[in-house]
Amino acid sequence: DVKVTQSSRYLVKRTGEKVFLECVQDMDHENMFWYRQDPGLGLRLIYFSYDVKMKEKGDIPEGYSVSREKKERFSLILESASTNQTSMYLCASSLNFGDTYNEQFFGPGTRLTVL
Amino acid sequence: AQKITQTQPGMFVQEKEAVTLDCTYDTSDQSYGLFWYKQPSSGEMIFLIYQGSYDEQNATEGRYSLNFQKARKSANLVISASQLGDSAMYFCAMRDSPHPYDYKLSFGAGTTVTVRA
Repeated sequence: DVKVTQSSRYLVKRTGEKVFLECVQDMDHENMFWYRQDPGLGLRLIYFSYDVKMKEKGDIPEGYSVSREKKERFSLILESASTNQTSMYLCASSLNFGDTYNEQFFGPGTRLTVL
Repeated sequence: AQKITQTQPGMFVQEKEAVTLDCTYDTSDQSYGLFWYKQPSSGEMIFLIYQGSYDEQNATEGRYSLNFQKARKSANLVISASQLGDSAMYFCAMRDSPHPYDYKLSFGAGTTVTVRA
């Protein structure tokens, strides 16, 4: 079974802190994604990566950065956390397929609260 | 512009009855894929069903079926014989950029389904 793990289920940080969210997948997937989920807005893509050291901006990259030094690990970084970044963060991974089928496998999510 | 629209924020359904969740999409690509995911209260996203734009048959997976109407750009999920465990949030998603290195999905806002005993 594909397994995607995230470093924390719940996290509480203070405004201005640097925050690292870690995601690890064990199925050798090329693609990895970071989403945030807010009520009424669904999932919005922050960043994704299709290979080691490669990254692409999603729909809402402002205030975030990412790092992918190893294939299995994709980190989301909040350089200076703000209260409007309080949200549920979901990591996902998938294989590279040439057609439209691209099932993404999700981690359990990290609920981040910024005070 | 919103690529995926789910107009039903919440729905109630009686146990053992069928429920239809609406999803409309917007794309100019001829080749695209549509996905439905389930998110129980535990938070984990569970893949349910996939429909490709060139698939002639509607997709089915157990009690889940997808009512795909290409001309209307709709991909409604039908859950038959609802069970209490079907209570969850359901998301419709689309991949409409089958280009190399662009594997992202666009998600709708979701529909919360509550199954009543």
